[in-house]
Amino acid sequence: GEDVEQSLFLSVREGDSSVINCTYTDSSSTYLYWYKQEPGAGLQLLTYIFSNMDMKQDQRLTVLLNKKDKHLSLRIADTQTGDSAIYFCAGGTGNQFYFGTGTSLTVIP
Amino acid sequence: GAVVSQHPSWVICKSGTSVKIECRSLDFQATTMFWYRQFPKQSLMLMATSNEGSKATYEQGVEKDKFLINHASLTLSTLTVTSAHPEDSSFYICSAKMPGTSTEAFFGQGTRLTVV
Repeated sequence: GEDVEQSLFLSVREGDSSVINCTYTDSSSTYLYWYKQEPGAGLQLLTYIFSNMDMKQDQRLTVLLNKKDKHLSLRIADTQTGDSAIYFCAGGTGNQFYFGTGTSLTVIP
Repeated sequence: GAVVSQHPSWVICKSGTSVKIECRSLDFQATTMFWYRQFPKQSLMLMATSNEGSKATYEQGVEKDKFLINHASLTLSTLTVTSAHPEDSSFYICSAKMPGTSTEAFFGQGTRLTVV
């Protein structure tokens, strides 16, 4: 399997940018994903990036991938209180996903 | 987007009883479904991969006789926790893979199981 690690907590002020980081061990992952989990709810796919890309931008979300360092990050611009949730990064080859520990993002009004 | 529905959302059962959790893909046929378990403040751990019409593939350390998985149709997979014990209390989430794609997997809303 793959080991995927994230920092557990992040607090930001409303309107600021949030950056959630993730490191992984298995470079064979074809895709890398970011999921959002709101309290008591399942997972919502936010975005994903192919392993041969360095960056992907989708509205307020920017994903950066450093393959050399096996580091993935998710930047949320203009963070809102509705962005408060747990964010999981995951690596996968299509049939299996290996999740990070999740980062709990708290947005302070 | 595609919808995966899990039922029930939460269940409380007595120790020693069995509980069945359903995972349905509502608007697509899912040849492959996945079952995850999430402990409080921890990540999701893949338990097993369920393929329609064949036996599930269990991850190392997951007891297949305790966590029975049945994927009898292209839209339904079930997870039965047999002879549940308090240590089985957890959040169980299923996901279904969109056929023909490598990227799309949609998650159910999860089932909170509490064994008392």
